[in-house]
Amino acid sequence: TQLLEQSPQFLSIQEGENLTVYCNSSSVFSSLQWYRQEPGEGPVLLVTVVTGGEVKKLKRLTFQFGDARKDSSLHITAAQPGDTGLYLCAGADTDSWGKLQFGAGTQVVVTP
Amino acid sequence: EAQVTQNPRYLITVTGKKLTVTCSQNMNHEYMSWYRQDPGLGLRQIYYSMNVEVTDKGDVPEGYKVSRKEKRNFPLILESPSPNQTSLYFCASSLIPPRDRGFSGNTIYFGEGSWLTVV
Repeated sequence: TQLLEQSPQFLSIQEGENLTVYCNSSSVFSSLQWYRQEPGEGPVLLVTVVTGGEVKKLKRLTFQFGDARKDSSLHITAAQPGDTGLYLCAGADTDSWGKLQFGAGTQVVVTP
Repeated sequence: EAQVTQNPRYLITVTGKKLTVTCSQNMNHEYMSWYRQDPGLGLRQIYYSMNVEVTDKGDVPEGYKVSRKEKRNFPLILESPSPNQTSLYFCASSLIPPRDRGFSGNTIYFGEGSWLTVV
């Protein structure tokens, strides 16, 4: 089992501030996804990164995949209350076609 | 509309009483998977299926069974539920499996979740 550790577990910031969430592992992943989940709903895919060193931007969100494909980060610029949610990273196992490992998640709260 | 539909959404049952949580997708996806979500643990994969009649264990398969007789359906079966299976369950589907390099342009869809309480 390839484990993913997310940090921090909880983040509370004011609107307009920046934040970064980290997803780390000692294992290599073939790809890594970031999801946002709101209470009572299923996770919604934000992005998938597959190449070491890859950077993807989605409006105010910037995702980076580590060079060694073992870690990733999510950076939000000028956070808004609508960014509030549980952010989850998930890595695709290199040894199995179908396994997907999730981190425990980072709860982000953005207050007006 | 692309959908993954789970039923029931909420269920309280007693220890040992067999139950099935259904999952159906309308996107002709080959890959389907079941997860449970518990506080502080994120989502843990129970079983996945690469295609009809092809299923495999995830990280926490004990106490669960699955079947994939049709492409659109992937039911989760708890033969003899126990209180430690109290959890929030999610079904998910995608066109191709996570390890495929083409997964980058692929979307994985999750159902709305099934809250299961075993007393």
